[in-house]
Amino acid sequence: GAGVSQSPSNKVTEKGKDVELRCDPISGHTALYWYRQSLGQGLEFLIYFQGNSAPDKSGLPSDRFSAERTGGSVSTLTIQRTQQEDSAVYLCASSTNKPGLASDTQYFGPGTRLTVL
Amino acid sequence: AQSVAQPEDQVNVAEGNPLTVKCTYSVSGNPYLFWYVQYPNRGLQFLLKYITGDNLVKGSYGFEAEFNKSQTSFHLKKPSALVSDSALYFCGSQRGDTGRRALTFGSGTRLQVQP
Repeated sequence: GAGVSQSPSNKVTEKGKDVELRCDPISGHTALYWYRQSLGQGLEFLIYFQGNSAPDKSGLPSDRFSAERTGGSVSTLTIQRTQQEDSAVYLCASSTNKPGLASDTQYFGPGTRLTVL
Repeated sequence: AQSVAQPEDQVNVAEGNPLTVKCTYSVSGNPYLFWYVQYPNRGLQFLLKYITGDNLVKGSYGFEAEFNKSQTSFHLKKPSALVSDSALYFCGSQRGDTGRRALTFGSGTRLQVQP
């Protein structure tokens, strides 16, 4: 079946502009995660959605970052007033995260490479 | 708090030789541990995970990992390396409860297999 898809694959923007990154999870997966991969910081968690629960936003680096998930499926990560340090690969992952399941294997999309000039 | 360490930035091995990519962890409670591989311009691909039970976990593409509680390690191994195994490898941990499911990753190890 189809895996996690992300768009665009590459995004180049100017400092100060807003950008939106899209993630389409695996069908039926209730959990959705955003991570950021950058040279200086490695792979870091940003935000986590689980069903209709309030998202875990504990990894968002500043209030310029926000995300939403509509209808329990597609998610959009928005970065306002982009800065050069926002340049990174933004990865989305999804999982089944069924109640009572001991662990939660996350399946990743190909990522969006964001370059802020 | 959780942390994962991958002490080697790069591992070089000759094709056909065994390979080991090291990972140590610091996780409160029972850890769930994962290995992922990343090929150029691709996302992370799941290789294997340890939850409980057998300390030796077998995964995709002939990889396996050994959980060692006393040494807090979860090293990735393969008996015979292939050139196509050259990639970036990440070790990750997840809290062993239903709370925070986000993965904490190590810094990654680049594996280079020479023909």
